[in-house]
Amino acid sequence: DADVTQTPRNRITKTGKRIMLECSQTKGHDRMYWYRQDPGLGLRLIYYSFDVKDINKGEISDGYSVSRQAQAKFSLSLESAIPNQTALYFCATSDPGRAHGYTFGSGTRLTVV
Amino acid sequence: GIQVEQSPPDLILQEGANSTLRCNFSDSVNNLQWFHQNPWGQLINLFYIPSGTKQNGRLSATTVATERYSLLYISSSQTTDSGVYFCAGTGANNLFFGTGTRLTVIP
Repeated sequence: DADVTQTPRNRITKTGKRIMLECSQTKGHDRMYWYRQDPGLGLRLIYYSFDVKDINKGEISDGYSVSRQAQAKFSLSLESAIPNQTALYFCATSDPGRAHGYTFGSGTRLTVV
Repeated sequence: GIQVEQSPPDLILQEGANSTLRCNFSDSVNNLQWFHQNPWGQLINLFYIPSGTKQNGRLSATTVATERYSLLYISSSQTTDSGVYFCAGTGANNLFFGTGTRLTVIP
């Protein structure tokens, strides 16, 4: 099984719909992140969480919300999806004791029509 | 603020050729890393290289922290090297990515 699992892998949704992207990890890491990737751009941080009771906005949090249900689970919600939220979304975890210890999920390709 | 800049943006190579990718970063960036995103979108961590030189097979990386740049060398390129190469550095709490170099290796 993958260390960081994202579901769904692909999703097409309509404008105005609410959608949730889920992420679970078996790394045992406290830190989890959601990134967004647009064509021709690097990954940009949406939200991050350093433990279950800690939620922080990233660079581009508008239009998104998150929930840290447990150490191993971090979900991203789009309350009312819009077409410019069409992107590839990545979940990641990290170990604060190892600055290079980032593990990424396989990504969720979201299309809003 | 955090800035990570990569060059070139696009690179096309004949199989077997060598290449050098460059990453310039601002002085607030630490813990420079290189990633490869394959054509299926998967992100693979290649190197953690805050300073010095590391090698892994046909790939090597060098970071000169005092001059705020890092280089990724690909030797004897193969078609499986195609994809996007990102450098990223940690700011206060998370990774900041460059915009990537898209590499296409043609047979």
